[in-house]
Amino acid sequence: KNQVEQSPQSLIILEGKNCTLQCNYTVSPFSNLRWYKQDTGRGPVSLTIMTFSENTKSNGRYTATLDADTKQSSLHITASQLSDSASYICVVSEKAEDKLVFGAGTILRVKS
Amino acid sequence: ETGVTQTPRHLVMGMTNKKSLKCEQHLGHNAMYWYKQSAKKPLELMFVYNFKEQTENNSVPSRFSPECPNSSHLFLHLHTLQPEDSALYLCASSQSQGSGANVLTFGAGSRLTVL
Repeated sequence: KNQVEQSPQSLIILEGKNCTLQCNYTVSPFSNLRWYKQDTGRGPVSLTIMTFSENTKSNGRYTATLDADTKQSSLHITASQLSDSASYICVVSEKAEDKLVFGAGTILRVKS
Repeated sequence: ETGVTQTPRHLVMGMTNKKSLKCEQHLGHNAMYWYKQSAKKPLELMFVYNFKEQTENNSVPSRFSPECPNSSHLFLHLHTLQPEDSALYLCASSQSQGSGANVLTFGAGSRLTVL
């Protein structure tokens, strides 16, 4: 069964610290993997999209990694800011039926 | 604003009421989607419309009825809902159906509470 598991479920860090969010998936065949950020009261917004051949992709203070062999991805946030407080959702695209498989998200809270 | 607008943002209704959620996009996209988002659960795809035609109904109960009069507008008509239907309903659009290459643009959602 195609699944996307994210960990931790929630996380609290101090402003200025770094953190890493994890995404493990069993989706096959794989097409691409995306990370979305969802602020409270808003819809998800795309941060990065990674294809099979990409290992690392950065978007400002956000760096996503992909290991297609172990079917794992991570989202690293550097020098966190209060505005990073949000839910981060990992989404994997399944190639055969062209479906998106969503993770349940990691809720990040950045404290001052 | 993302270019996808949802109204109302909040809705409280009784189980016997009839109400509708509205979604509008002016991005020139041809595919529109309804998703249900419940706390601590992955987004659940409900319906997909591609060029105004419904292409996917993900076994959604008939108390939810979608309508897509044109490529820019999408409605979700609600009737005789249950308390477990309380959730955030997200509308999204993409250039066309086909999740592989297309990035979804989401609206801010309609928070529904069924009493």
